[in-house]
Amino acid sequence: QKEVEQNSGPLSVPEGAIASLNCTYSDRVSQSFFWYRQYSGKSPELIMSIYSNGDKEDGRFTAQLNKASQYVSLLIRDSQPSDSATYLCAVNMAGGGNKLTFGTGTQLKVEL
Amino acid sequence: DGGITQSPKYLFRKEGQNVTLSCEQNLNHDAMYWYRQDPGQGLRLIYYSQIVNDFQKGDIAEGYSVSREKKESFPLTVTSAQKNPTAFYLCASTGTGGTSNQPQHFGDGTRLSIL
Repeated sequence: QKEVEQNSGPLSVPEGAIASLNCTYSDRVSQSFFWYRQYSGKSPELIMSIYSNGDKEDGRFTAQLNKASQYVSLLIRDSQPSDSATYLCAVNMAGGGNKLTFGTGTQLKVEL
Repeated sequence: DGGITQSPKYLFRKEGQNVTLSCEQNLNHDAMYWYRQDPGQGLRLIYYSQIVNDFQKGDIAEGYSVSREKKESFPLTVTSAQKNPTAFYLCASTGTGGTSNQPQHFGDGTRLSIL
């Protein structure tokens, strides 16, 4: 079983719609969760971090964490073509110091 | 500007050759990491270091070596023992701050190919 799982996509949404990206993880005691955006050929860029159950909003981005169900999601409101990228979910697994385990990423395409 | 600098941006390796990828940070971060990313894949941890003069193997350390002689620098050597080195290599760092909740920030990466 993969430790951090994401649907590889592509996920296609029309411009202006809400994009919903999901991630599940296997380690029940994980404490820190991060979403990175990676444009083709570029390095990952941190866009959200979340540590507690519930929602965390930052501009058009909302991260949602449910530790009981072991999933974390990212909502992008008013999606723009510039949001087209691969979104990586990263989890700080228990006992891992500050190591992150990454999912394989979900490719998002925002269509005009 | 503070940040993480990786060099070179592109690197080509001949068979049997060792090559070294540079990673320098001026963020005063304690911890540094090396990842490998293959096309369409997530990031896999090669080595990491939480303090100077100490480092640990990640999930795919075979065929790689590192050193951490200075806080700012964490070079990665891809040895001839690594039979499939073609990949995108990413260096990251984080300030540990006594917790494990700090996000990692990445350099721009080095793309390594075999000649």
